[in-house]
Amino acid sequence: RKEVEQDPGPFNVPEGATVAFNCTYSNSASQSFFWYRQDCRKEPKLLMSVYSSGNEDGRFTAQLNRASQYISLLIRDSKLSDSATYLCVVNLLSMDTGRRALTFGSGTRLQVQP
Amino acid sequence: EADIYQTPRYLVIGTGKKITLECSQTMGHDKMYWYQQDPGMELHLIHYSYGVNSTEKGDLSSESTVSRIRTEHFPLTLESARPSHTSQYLCASTKPVTGELFFGEGSRLTVL
Repeated sequence: RKEVEQDPGPFNVPEGATVAFNCTYSNSASQSFFWYRQDCRKEPKLLMSVYSSGNEDGRFTAQLNRASQYISLLIRDSKLSDSATYLCVVNLLSMDTGRRALTFGSGTRLQVQP
Repeated sequence: EADIYQTPRYLVIGTGKKITLECSQTMGHDKMYWYQQDPGMELHLIHYSYGVNSTEKGDLSSESTVSRIRTEHFPLTLESARPSHTSQYLCASTKPVTGELFFGEGSRLTVL
């Protein structure tokens, strides 16, 4: 089982739709949580950090559920320009290596259709 | 914008050549990383460094080596490139306290 898991998608949605991604993590000792966006053949860029109380940035809302060990990203009113891969990143204590490291999910691909 | 730079952006070389991918950051970050990513696939950590003279191998085994003689510089070297090394190599560093990861634009390597 991967330490950070995401549904790979692709999620194909029409413009204006609301779409939600979930990401589960394996270790309850995880400390920091982030959502990154990666466009095709580009480097990942920080979309938003995820705070315990949840946080919002325009059309984007991120939430953390420590009890169930998952984070979520909600995108409202989808735009064509939102088409990208969304990566979940968790600073967790690895069961395999015993060290703390930033661990990436495999990414969820979003395609917004006109 | 992050101040982390990678060169070359694109490199096409023949089998058996030695190559070095350069990565520099001007933010004074102690922690730096090298990731490998094939098109449409996930990122794999191949090397990391928590400071000068500290380097460790990542989760994915790699024939490349790294060095960290200066805080701002974290080059990756392949002594003898092979076609299986064809990939994109992404360098990154983390901001203290927040843990935010900043990536360079990547070096796309093709070995013929």
